[in-house]
Amino acid sequence: AQSVTQPDIHITVSEGASLELRCNYSYGATPYLFWYVQSPGQGLQLLLKYFSGDTLVQGIKGFEAEFKRSQSSFNLRKPSVHWSDAAEYFCAVGAGSNDMRFGAGTRLTVKP
Amino acid sequence: KAGVTQTPRYLIKTRGQQVTLSCSPISGHRSVSWYQQTPGQGLQFLFEYFSETQRNKGNFPGRFSGRQFSNSRSEMNVSTLELGDSALYLCASSPIGLAGGADEQFFGPGTRLTVL
Repeated sequence: AQSVTQPDIHITVSEGASLELRCNYSYGATPYLFWYVQSPGQGLQLLLKYFSGDTLVQGIKGFEAEFKRSQSSFNLRKPSVHWSDAAEYFCAVGAGSNDMRFGAGTRLTVKP
Repeated sequence: KAGVTQTPRYLIKTRGQQVTLSCSPISGHRSVSWYQQTPGQGLQFLFEYFSETQRNKGNFPGRFSGRQFSNSRSEMNVSTLELGDSALYLCASSPIGLAGGADEQFFGPGTRLTVL
C-alpha cells in the first residue's frame, strides 16, 4: 500500500525567507501526489497536484513542487514566505486504490 | 458554487452514545469521502461513497458507518462512542472520486466531535 512521510513536524521560517517542505512517498508505480494546506479551524485546501508530465508543478499562492522519481520525493517550495502562509501542510498520495493517504503534516510558523 | 458544507460544526457527546454527521458536497460532485483527523493519528481515511455505493473503506471498526443519498449528500454514523473517537471529521467531495487515485478533493470545514 502507498504511504507518505513528512519528516519535519514543525518548521519555523522568517517572513520573506524561502521555504521547502519535504515529502517522501512509497509506491511501486507513478503515484498521484498532492499538497494541501489547513489553517486552524478550517478544512484542507488543495495547493497543487501532480499526475504526470512536467515534474515541476505550479500551484496557488506562489507554491510549487517538484516530483523526483529517483528520490521518491515531492517537496513543496515557496521562494518568499508571507505571514499568512502559517498553517499546517499535508502531502498526500493517491495511487490506484479508492483511498488517499496523507502524511502526518508539517506545521509552519512564520516569524515576523 | 457553494463549497462542501458539514453539519454540525461542533458536537459534544458522552461515551456509549451514537452520533450522525452530515455532509453536503459541491453541486455536481458524486463522490464523498470521510476522514478522521486526530493529533496522534493524523488524517485517516474512513470511507468513500459514489452514487450511493460505498466504494472503499478504511481500517475502522464497524461502529463507523455511512451512507449516501440520491442527491449525493452523505451521512456518517458512529455508534457506541468511545473517548478515542474525539476528532475532527472531514468530508471531501470530488466529481468522480478516488478511483484511480487521481481526482482532486474539496474539503469541508469539518465537524469537531468531543466524546466525554
